[in-house]
Amino acid sequence: EVQILETGGGLVKPGGSLRLSCATSGFNFNDYFMHWVRQAPGNGLEWVAEVRNKNNNYATYYAASVKGRFTISRDDSKSSVYLQVSSLRAEDTAIYYCTRSDWETFDYWGQGVMVTVSS
Amino acid sequence: NIVMTQSPKSMSISVGDRVTMNCKASQNVGNNIAWYQQKPGQSPKLLIYYASNRYTGVPDRFTGGGYGTDFTLTINSVQAEDAAFYYCQRIYNSPWTFGGGTKLELK
Repeated sequence: EVQILETGGGLVKPGGSLRLSCATSGFNFNDYFMHWVRQAPGNGLEWVAEVRNKNNNYATYYAASVKGRFTISRDDSKSSVYLQVSSLRAEDTAIYYCTRSDWETFDYWGQGVMVTVSS
Repeated sequence: NIVMTQSPKSMSISVGDRVTMNCKASQNVGNNIAWYQQKPGQSPKLLIYYASNRYTGVPDRFTGGGYGTDFTLTINSVQAEDAAFYYCQRIYNSPWTFGGGTKLELK
């Protein structure tokens, strides 16, 4: 059974940092791209960041809204992906979902972790 | 970057009705579109990929169509459990942009 579990959320002051973690199991992690997608309260889905697999040179991509502030990484030995979020702003307040993809689909998602940016 | 625009923003439908919602891409994306369903308090669930391919386990009342810039998601004979938000997404490359969503309510 595929399982995806995010941890590391919480309340942080503007300008602060957090590291979100996503632990996975039940599938061959090396075969997949991994993403973070967020959803601000009452809003729609926003793709945030992607890290591709070894066959695709671990390439990383970011939404314009987070580029330069967020860093995605993966550890294939732990079947885990991470999102280092820095220089946080109020508008970064959201549920952050970890999800896997191939070229076609985001087929399994975690339950999400809440990040609240407030003084 | 490609912008995905969904319409309408919301719709109110009766059980048993047929409903169609739209997704428009700002550039030609071929058939590189997916559709997701999200209910309150839950993670999104994949419904359709490559514009018209139904994902495993998705009821056949859900049908996707379109190519290029204009796409549709049709639900035949809407059921009570279909009340949710629906999102389209450009797939196959970054940025994996989502549309703003359509809220489907049941009367």
